[in-house]
Parts: sequence; structure tokens; C-alpha cells
Amino acid sequence: GIQVEQSPPDLILQEGANSTLRCNFSDSVNNLQWFHQNPWGQLINLFYIPSGTKQNGRLSATTVATERYSLLYISSSQTTDSGVYFCAVNPGAGSYQLTFGKGTKLSVIP
Amino acid sequence: DAGVIQSPRHEVTEMGQEVTLRCKPISGHDYLFWYRQTMMRGLELLIYFNNNVPIDDSGMPEDRFSAKMPNASFSTLKIQPSEPRDSAVYFCASSFGWGFSTGELFFGEGSRLTVL
Repeated sequence: GIQVEQSPPDLILQEGANSTLRCNFSDSVNNLQWFHQNPWGQLINLFYIPSGTKQNGRLSATTVATERYSLLYISSSQTTDSGVYFCAVNPGAGSYQLTFGKGTKLSVIP
Repeated sequence: DAGVIQSPRHEVTEMGQEVTLRCKPISGHDYLFWYRQTMMRGLELLIYFNNNVPIDDSGMPEDRFSAKMPNASFSTLKIQPSEPRDSAVYFCASSFGWGFSTGELFFGEGSRLTVL
């Protein structure tokens, strides 16, 4: 099946710093999403981005489908950004399963 | 619109008891998914439905697990009998369509199950 690798696995930031999280995948995809799991366990949609670039406030994401990677940018980080960021992909071709990466655990300290 | 609604949020039960988890998908969504999250295995897809019909239950770990979707606004995941290794957070998720440019998945808040 498709492989999803996220890096870095852990990241500690000072409040106000910027960061880039990466997601590599092993096959072409027709669905890619970024999620934030907050410290209370909620999985929150950030972006649905099988290709291209999107921005939402301090967050933006870019997927380069031909090169099989996606990037999530967090600018001016805040303590509320802490949690685990998951990339999830679906290869299409009749598959209905989102395959999740292991996540990047982000800790933003004041 | 209300998001995906799950209940109960927390369940503590004893081994051997029946557990029923409930999910109300987002109105108008035609796909419903049940996922399980553990520290060891991460997020795993258990089963999904399309228009209330179970399509793939290959992720259901054992016959002790069953899921139903009697109508477009309600689904249940049942474990009978429950075992300590079933302890996990169970997420329900729904989407409208599935494929390129559709199929954005929205998760409920999860049901944290502890089996003693």
C-alpha cells in the first residue's frame, strides 16, 4: 500500500517562530488532507489539498503531486498550535481509505 | 452546520460487557467512516459506508465488532464482548463524495473507550 512519511517527528518552537512540516508519499494520490489533533484529542481539518497551494490565516499548505510531497507552513506560531499534525492520503483507483502518516508532534512554548 | 456528532465521549466498562458507540454524520454526507486510534497502531480504518451500505469492513479486527447504518443520519459501532485490548479512541468521520476534488473528511470528537 501507499507509504506516508512525515518529518520531523517532533518539533519544539518558541512562540512567534515559523515552521515547515513535510509529508512525503510513495504513490500518486487523488486526496490529501492535513489535520491537527489538539491536546484534547480532537482531529481538526486544516486543508484538503491534493494539489496546489492554499492559505488559511497563519497556515498555508502546498502539495506538489508530481514530486509526491506536501508542505504545511505555520507562521507566527502560538501555543494553541501545539498538538500533532497528520498528513493523510488516498491513492484513488478504487481505494476509499485515507492512509495517515505517523504525525509531527509540535510543542509551542511561550 | 453541526459537525459529526459522537456519543458517548467517554466510556469505561468491564471486560465482557457490550459497548455501543454512536455517530451522527454531517447532513448531506454520503460516506461514513469508523476509525480507531491507539498509540501503537495510530489511526486505522475499521469500516466505511456509502449511502448507508457497508462497503468495506476488512479493517474490523474481529467478529466481536459490528457496525450498522440504519439511515443516513445514524450509525453504530458495537463491540460484544469487549476486551481490554479494545481500549482506544474511536472516531467517526463523514464526507460528501469520494475522489479527486471531493471527499474532504470531517471527524467527530471521538469516543474514548476504556475496557477494564
